[in-house]
Amino acid sequence: QSILTQPPSVSAAPGQKVTISCSGTSSNIANNYVSWYQQLPGTAPKLLIFDNIKRPSGIPDRISASKSGASATLDITGLHTGDEADYYCGTWDNSLNTWVFGGGTKLTVL
Amino acid sequence: QLQLQESGPGLVKPSETLSLTCTVSGGSINTESYYWGWIRQPPGKGLEWLGNLYYSGSTYYNPSLKNRVTISMDTSKNQFSLKLNSVTAADTAVYYCARVLFAAHCGSSSCSHHYYGMDVWGLGTTVTVSS
Repeated sequence: QSILTQPPSVSAAPGQKVTISCSGTSSNIANNYVSWYQQLPGTAPKLLIFDNIKRPSGIPDRISASKSGASATLDITGLHTGDEADYYCGTWDNSLNTWVFGGGTKLTVL
Repeated sequence: QLQLQESGPGLVKPSETLSLTCTVSGGSINTESYYWGWIRQPPGKGLEWLGNLYYSGSTYYNPSLKNRVTISMDTSKNQFSLKLNSVTAADTAVYYCARVLFAAHCGSSSCSHHYYGMDVWGLGTTVTVSS
């Protein structure tokens, strides 16, 4: 069971918006930087968001994120089938003294 | 363009030591600007952080690995390595190396480092633990 809680799956139609949540505690999300990763089938994870809300160069602005207290969310708008992937949140945990990932959320674009 | 490439045996026997190397091209690992890390993913499961290494030699490991893990660097080859001893079938996974971004928070006398996340990943290498 992961320290950070993500929904196992989300789905939405092409062109629509989806939100993926990541719930933690004061030991992790509330007091550390959150990052988000996309993992397409059979490939390495790719950084989508770092420092809670920042996009690396090359990540489109239809991908955004926010953080409030001990929770973080990832929003993807204008969905297309190429967005079908597993999405992970990650942050440092001060109590465990370790980097932790969420369990991952599988996005299906119907 | 920075690239990372994992290499090492794809099959390791139980109780032996898993050894992997990450070769970095397009940039130097001997820099104060980044950490370097290892992450693994068991078949059909999520991501697990193994540890990070700074150019100074400082290392930070996942406590759940109970002192089985060692990460080191060879700046002359621009490589960093992972060793995991006493492996079992539970260590079967795809192993990734990655560059780690961080922020330095400085007080009057010292700075602490806070990880932003992993921004460049290798393709991963599959390691199976089996006799």
